[in-house]
Amino acid sequence: DVKVTQSSRYLVKRTGEKVFLECVQDMDHENMFWYRQDPGLGLRLIYFSYDVKMKEKGDIPEGYSVSREKKERFSLILESASTNQTSMYLCASSLGGRTEAFFGQGTRLTVV
Amino acid sequence: TQLLEQSPQFLSIQEGENLTVYCNSSSVFSSLQWYRQEPGEGPVLLVTVVTGGEVKKLKRLTFQFGDARKDSSLHITAAQPGDTGLYLCAGVDSNYQLIWGAGTKLIIKP
Repeated sequence: DVKVTQSSRYLVKRTGEKVFLECVQDMDHENMFWYRQDPGLGLRLIYFSYDVKMKEKGDIPEGYSVSREKKERFSLILESASTNQTSMYLCASSLGGRTEAFFGQGTRLTVV
Repeated sequence: TQLLEQSPQFLSIQEGENLTVYCNSSSVFSSLQWYRQEPGEGPVLLVTVVTGGEVKKLKRLTFQFGDARKDSSLHITAAQPGDTGLYLCAGVDSNYQLIWGAGTKLIIKP
C-alpha cells in the first residue's frame, strides 16, 4: 500500500516563526503536492513538484516555499508564519497526472 | 479559472434515506475522481469515472459521469452512519491538474 506520511498531526507556532512541514512517500511517485484545506473552500493547491528539485506554484503560493531534494520527500516552508495560515495542510503524491492522489493524514497548524 | 461546484455543501439525513451529491462545471474533464475524507484524515479515493455517461457502483454508492464529461453525481442508497464524512470530487483537466470541488459534508443520523 502507498503510504504518505506527514511529520506532525498537530502544530502550534507563534506569529513570525519559520515553520517546516515534512512529507515522505514510499511508492516512488514522481508527483507530490501540498494543499491547504479550510471549511467551505475545499482543497487549494499551494505548490506541486513533478520531479526532484522541480517546483511549480499552485493557486495560493504566497507566504510559502517548498523543497524537494529527494524524490520521496517534499517539504513545505512557511517563511514567517501568520495567523491567516492557520489551517489543515495536506500532502499528496501520485504516479501521474490522471492517476489517484494518495494523501497523508494532514497537519493541523495553528499560528498564534 | 476552472471551477467545480459541489452541492449541497452540507447534508444531514436519517439512516435509511437516499441522497444525491452533485458536482458541476462548465469545463470538460478527461476524468473525474470522488474521494471520501473522515475527520482528522486525508481524502481517500472512492472511484474514478472516465467515459461520458459512465456509471460505476460500489455497493450502495452509484457514481455517474455526465455525457459531456462536465458533471458527475454520487447517489447513496439506504445511507448508514458509516457513510458520514466529507465527499470531494476532483476533475482532471487538459493539463492533468486536479480541480477540486469544495466538498459535501454528509452526516447520517442513527
